Amino acid sequence: DGGITQSPKYLFRKEGQNVTLSCEQNLNHDAMYWYRQDPGQGLRLIYYSQIVNDFQKGDIAEGYSVSREKKESFPLTVTSAQKNPTAFYLCASSMEGNQPQHFGDGTRLSIL
Amino acid sequence: QKEVEQNSGPLSVPEGAIASLNCTYSDRVSQSFFWYRQYSGKSPELIMSIYSNGDKEDGRFTAQLNKASQYVSLLIRDSQPSDSATYLCAVNRGNYQLIWGAGTKLIIKP
Repeated sequence: DGGITQSPKYLFRKEGQNVTLSCEQNLNHDAMYWYRQDPGQGLRLIYYSQIVNDFQKGDIAEGYSVSREKKESFPLTVTSAQKNPTAFYLCASSMEGNQPQHFGDGTRLSIL
Repeated sequence: QKEVEQNSGPLSVPEGAIASLNCTYSDRVSQSFFWYRQYSGKSPELIMSIYSNGDKEDGRFTAQLNKASQYVSLLIRDSQPSDSATYLCAVNRGNYQLIWGAGTKLIIKP
């Protein structure tokens, strides 16, 4: 079955530590996205990528970094510069920009 | 003014009744519109896509789009307790970016 796999499901970060969230898709979608969701709020775009080796900042990119070396993979690194990283992180993909986005199951990140 | 606005709710509807969810958006050049359902603690799941004015039906769900008035709505007929969730409206700016509403919490009362 085609889909989007995010790992891990839960992640804990220590002070000063960088952590990387994994996102893999086998839908053959060109575009991939990372969102952050805080309790009771909508989704906010962190980064998106239209094609391999290219990505753009979203509304809240500070303290985060991404790479897109393969079509299937779009990992997100939460750096120590992100002072409030506790949130639900969602990865999504779409065939094109005007098409619906499909989501993985998400990763919950907390501070130890 | 927020770019995409939804009533946060909760909207309480008796089982078997019609649930009506509304969303307004500010950018007139928006081209595509989506409704997602999100259960508590889970990721959003696509319910409906709509691209042109009018109604689009899929089973118990009907999406309605009025670009002149800049609103999109979702009707759920014969509401079931399993429809209880938060419904997110998303609007495409036309450049790979979706703008999301904060969601409406729907509660179906048995």
